[in-house]
Amino acid sequence: DVKVTQSSRYLVKRTGEKVFLECVQDMDHENMFWYRQDPGLGLRLIYFSYDVKMKEKGDIPEGYSVSREKKERFSLILESASTNQTSMYLCASTSRSRAFYGYTFGSGTRLTVV
Amino acid sequence: GQQVMQIPQYQHVQEGEDFTTYCNSSTTLSNIQWYKQRPGGHPVFLIQLVKSGEVKKQKRLTFQFGEAKKNSSLHITATQTTDVGTYFCAGLRSSNTGKLIFGQGTTLQVKP
Repeated sequence: DVKVTQSSRYLVKRTGEKVFLECVQDMDHENMFWYRQDPGLGLRLIYFSYDVKMKEKGDIPEGYSVSREKKERFSLILESASTNQTSMYLCASTSRSRAFYGYTFGSGTRLTVV
Repeated sequence: GQQVMQIPQYQHVQEGEDFTTYCNSSTTLSNIQWYKQRPGGHPVFLIQLVKSGEVKKQKRLTFQFGEAKKNSSLHITATQTTDVGTYFCAGLRSSNTGKLIFGQGTTLQVKP
């Protein structure tokens, strides 16, 4: 089974801090995604990457950046955390060759910014 | 921009009743996927529909893709408490990148 592992299940950070959320997948997937999930808004795409060092903005990239130095790892960076970034963050991956086969999600990181 | 709308947002049913959630896209979709998220969990892939008018079944769950490939539905027959969770539809935006656009989800509560 594909495993997508997110480094932290719960995280509490202070306003203005730089925050790193890590995601690792073990099935050699090309495509990786970061979503945030908020009640009533569903899943909104922040950034995605389709190859090492390649990235594209999603629907809500403001205040975030990403890094993909290795194929298996995709990091989400909050440059200066703000309270409106309190949310559930979900990482997902899928194979480009099997792009029609569904995402595998990590367990999520619930981030609280105080 | 492209949108996928899902209704209803919430549904409370008595155990044994049927449940349906509907998904509508503003544009034609290459395919549609369905996910289930249990309370406190993460979305888990259920199924993918590709062909116009396609119908697929998984036990008590029936998935349909509209003829115009702009709408889809998930129907659960005789709900059980294990069906509790949020069901998301997601349309494929780009076959090159595998980007999906998710509906807002329908949260199902089942009263025993």
